[in-house]
Amino acid sequence: SAVISQKPSRDICQRGTSLTIQCQVDSQVTMMFWYRQQPGQSLTLIATANQGSEATYESGFVIDKFPISRPNLTFSTLTVSNMSPEDSSIYLCSVRTGNQPQHFGDGTRLSIL
Amino acid sequence: GDSVTQMEGPVTLSEEAFLTINCTYTATGYPSLFWYVQYPGEGLQLLLKATKADDKGSNKGFEATYRKETTSFHLEKGSVQVSDSAVYFCALRGFGNEKLTFGTGTRLTIIP
Repeated sequence: SAVISQKPSRDICQRGTSLTIQCQVDSQVTMMFWYRQQPGQSLTLIATANQGSEATYESGFVIDKFPISRPNLTFSTLTVSNMSPEDSSIYLCSVRTGNQPQHFGDGTRLSIL
Repeated sequence: GDSVTQMEGPVTLSEEAFLTINCTYTATGYPSLFWYVQYPGEGLQLLLKATKADDKGSNKGFEATYRKETTSFHLEKGSVQVSDSAVYFCALRGFGNEKLTFGTGTRLTIIP
């Protein structure tokens, strides 16, 4: 399965700032996804990152708050903008190729003060 | 729409006990079913999968059988170890659907 590297692994940020999370895969993948996992909760899909075009956002998530880039088949970024304490979560990158199972990175643990 | 209902946790067992974590689903057609495990401080790892009715997925002593008649995919292990302590997520991907639908997760703690 693909090896997924996510950076940073954790960060503590100030309210009102923005953080960009990177996801690098060691092989080309068809699909890339970004999830949020709030403390003690299950995973919620934020968006599907589309290569060379705008991401497809799920209900409740907007591009102004969570801009996403995917310049090629192995790399994507998620930015969490204008952060507030409610954004404290684990953010996970996930990838899939064809009908293979979906795989996840180790996540970025984000705390907002 | 698709949904996954998973056994509420937390679950605490003694080492070498038998484990069952229940998972039932609602989906049209023939979804693919998955169990993921999340160890403390880590991301999700695929534990096992099944893609059609009566398939049995297995890995690391864990098993789950795709039961279409009962729309279930219960996770079982005959003898758990302390190292199995983690959060377990049941998930499905509907036929023709790009997205995974997750259950709420079950936190499992194994005590020596």
